[in-house]
Amino acid sequence: DTAVSQTPKYLVTQMGNDKSIKCEQNLGHDTMYWYKQDSKKFLKIMFSYNNKELIINETVPNRFSPKSPDKAHLNLHINSLELGDSAVYFCASSQEYGGQETQYFGPGTRLLVL
Amino acid sequence: DAKTTQPPSMDCAEGRAANLPCNHSTISGNEYVYWYRQIHSQGPQYIIHGLKNNETNEMASLIITEDRKSSTLILPHATLRDTAVYYCIVETTSYDKVIFGPGTSLSVIP
Repeated sequence: DTAVSQTPKYLVTQMGNDKSIKCEQNLGHDTMYWYKQDSKKFLKIMFSYNNKELIINETVPNRFSPKSPDKAHLNLHINSLELGDSAVYFCASSQEYGGQETQYFGPGTRLLVL
Repeated sequence: DAKTTQPPSMDCAEGRAANLPCNHSTISGNEYVYWYRQIHSQGPQYIIHGLKNNETNEMASLIITEDRKSSTLILPHATLRDTAVYYCIVETTSYDKVIFGPGTSLSVIP
């Protein structure tokens, strides 16, 4: 079974639309993350979510909002999509929050905004 | 910007050891060195991590210099399936601004 799964795998949409990406982990981990990988292959953290505590990278626009219905899920909502939002988005999880925790990544969601 | 620097690309003959270097000259005392790899179109995969001592697991070995300013990931017997982008990152207790990239693109050649 897939440890960290994301849906959809591909997402093509128009500028201005609102979309969501879902993430689920079946590892029993307490912490989940969202990353954005740009065209230059830099992978930058967007959010960390641990026991209902949200840590946000301040460079992330407030059009992006994570929502966690339970410990196993962390969905990413994006409002008013812009061309620059086109990227690959990865969800990840770790047992706890901190620098000594191995992260497990999902397969990624390829978002294309037209 | 990433706190590490890596060569953009490397080649390695199949069956030979692949040695991937990483410089992290500004590393702090409580920061771990982590290595991940990303095979084309997949999510990053954890390989190994360490603080001061050399580490070995079933995938690779990690050699960290005594001053901790650089490290080397060693894949002892590279296979074609090891072709991937390898990321070296330093992590503290906070993930606020963790950045991977752009990494080293390793090509294992038959």
